[in-house]
Amino acid sequence: GAGVSQSPRYKVAKRGQDVALRCDPISGHVSLFWYQQALGQGPEFLTYFQNEAQLDKSGLPSDRFFAERPEGSVSTLKIQRTQQEDSAVYLCASSLRWTPGELFFGEGSRLTVL
Amino acid sequence: AQSVSQHNHHVILSEAASLELGCNYSYGGTVNLFWYVQYPGQHLQLLLKYFSGDPLVKGIKGFEAEFIKSKFSFNLRKPSVQWSDTAEYFCAVSGGATNKLIFGTGTLLAVQP
Repeated sequence: GAGVSQSPRYKVAKRGQDVALRCDPISGHVSLFWYQQALGQGPEFLTYFQNEAQLDKSGLPSDRFFAERPEGSVSTLKIQRTQQEDSAVYLCASSLRWTPGELFFGEGSRLTVL
Repeated sequence: AQSVSQHNHHVILSEAASLELGCNYSYGGTVNLFWYVQYPGQHLQLLLKYFSGDPLVKGIKGFEAEFIKSKFSFNLRKPSVQWSDTAEYFCAVSGGATNKLIFGTGTLLAVQP
């Protein structure tokens, strides 16, 4: 498809489970971002890749959060030992490197931790 | 650190009313400013952007925003809203050459027919 694709759209996990969220960016977009959006809040930056290099991971809330983009295309956000406070919508966005801030967002993965 | 404040959390208007949503940012250097919109059931999408030049920026669907550097503001306006403008609106800022966007908490706009 032409847009950013995320899967799964919905995920319910029991506390303590590991989850993996996938993002397939727009073809040719070198920059990829992960954001976390809690209910009633704006998106909060988690991490940023340029091609396969993770250039900024300052927003990852703990060492339970890990992101990778091994071939510079598809990215996976992994959350280990999920906690209730991890419940949120996880948004992936991609962009062309030379258009800062013009992000194309996916529809998000809604994670609910019970 | 960069931050963005949106003062109105919920706005309810009747069709044809004028709209102004406030946005203030905190950042010490050169900024790029954005408004994103999320229509019900859809993904976030760019409404308009400011990088440099004319501080009055026009976007899609009749929206515009004005960058006032002295007030650190980038308010969104539309002269006459439509029911289809019902959505959540997010102001965002990035600094310098970074692609990282900092978002405000959003304003939920409901337009009554």
